[in-house]
Amino acid sequence: DVKVTQSSRYLVKRTGEKVFLECVQDMDHENMFWYRQDPGLGLRLIYFSYDVKMKEKGDIPEGYSVSREKKERFSLILESASTNQTSMYLCASSERRSDRGVQETQYFGPGTRLLVL
Amino acid sequence: GQNIDQPTEMTATEGAIVQINCTYQTSGFNGLFWYQQHAGEAPTFLSYNVLDGLEEKGRFSSFLSRSKGYSYLLLKELQMKDSASYLCAVRVRGNTPLVFGKGTRLSVIA
Repeated sequence: DVKVTQSSRYLVKRTGEKVFLECVQDMDHENMFWYRQDPGLGLRLIYFSYDVKMKEKGDIPEGYSVSREKKERFSLILESASTNQTSMYLCASSERRSDRGVQETQYFGPGTRLLVL
Repeated sequence: GQNIDQPTEMTATEGAIVQINCTYQTSGFNGLFWYQQHAGEAPTFLSYNVLDGLEEKGRFSSFLSRSKGYSYLLLKELQMKDSASYLCAVRVRGNTPLVFGKGTRLSVIA
């Protein structure tokens, strides 16, 4: 079974703090993603990565950065946390698309519920 | 931009059948996914359609019409544990992130 783990289920931080959210997957997936999920807004893509040291901006990258130093690990960084970053953060991973046409679904971690005070 | 629409909420009775619709307007199409998400938990994969037609998997089936930009998820013999949000997602082109709808919250009542 694919396993995606996130470093914390719940996190409370203060405004202005630097926050690190860690995600690790054990299936040797090339692709990794960070989303945030808010009521009424659904899942929104923050950043994604197709390979080590590669990163691409998603739909809402402002206020966030990412790091992918190892294939299995993708970190989301809030440089200076703000109250509007209070949210559920979900990490996901998937295989790189192949020509075999096999479905490449995204597998999600359990999520980190972040509260910024 | 990419747009995926699904109803916000639905209610159905235990033992019944429910159909959750999803329409999409995207710049490309390379597959449609359905996920189930229980409150406070991560989304889990339910089904995948890339060709027109019906895919059946136990009590759950998913249908796709690419010409209409339309899909539905059919849940049969509803159980209380099926109360969850159901997310429709589209892959616009190969090896790109999925674009998600806002989800449909299904409540199953006795």
